[in-house]
Amino acid sequence: DAGVIQSPRHEVTEMGQEVTLRCKPISGHNSLFWYRQTMMRGLELLIYFNNNVPIDDSGMPEDRFSAKMPNASFSTLKIQPSEPRDSAVYFCAIPIDAGTDTQYFGPGTRLTVL
Amino acid sequence: GENVEQHPSTLSVQEGDSAVIKCTYSDSASNYFPWYKQELGKGPQLIIDIRSNVGEKKDQRIAVTLNKTAKHFSLHITETQPEDSAVYFCAASRETSGSRLTFGEGTQLTVNP
Repeated sequence: DAGVIQSPRHEVTEMGQEVTLRCKPISGHNSLFWYRQTMMRGLELLIYFNNNVPIDDSGMPEDRFSAKMPNASFSTLKIQPSEPRDSAVYFCAIPIDAGTDTQYFGPGTRLTVL
Repeated sequence: GENVEQHPSTLSVQEGDSAVIKCTYSDSASNYFPWYKQELGKGPQLIIDIRSNVGEKKDQRIAVTLNKTAKHFSLHITETQPEDSAVYFCAASRETSGSRLTFGEGTQLTVNP
């Protein structure tokens, strides 16, 4: 997991609050993926960036979710307002090799919305 | 779009036995098939992958086989050890510009000592 830093590792918040999840690749990458993992739905791709531009955000559940990648070393996933059904583990991933779909996952952020 | 199905959802084996996990995919244009291992509290980690130009790939106790005609691929773990216990995910993609991985539902493997 050392190639990607995610923060916070755990977040507990109350319904209606804004939540910001952060992802920092150790080495800058122009591509980055955000996933959500739940028992019910498994591992779902939310959005991915290429050259810091969102390419496919069809997996973003609702307008309450937004993501940014201002540079190759940082990305955020924001939920506003949060709801209990957003409780999940959120992973960001980066390509291991340029031009391939081989991905390296971060350790994840466990989000609990009460 | 691509649809990946994975079986079984749970698998329990005795230490030293072999374990086999199978996946099918729907998109005949998919040509990249990785397998990930996820331990409790951690992110998925790539353990082996295969591309469609080969039918089998092996790395020590782990092997993956691919049948493009039937659109299925399998993970084989031999001489299983308790530390192999984890959730395993298969995935598939076209591996072209803008492509994305589609994951299976996962298999909880338990290796009993």
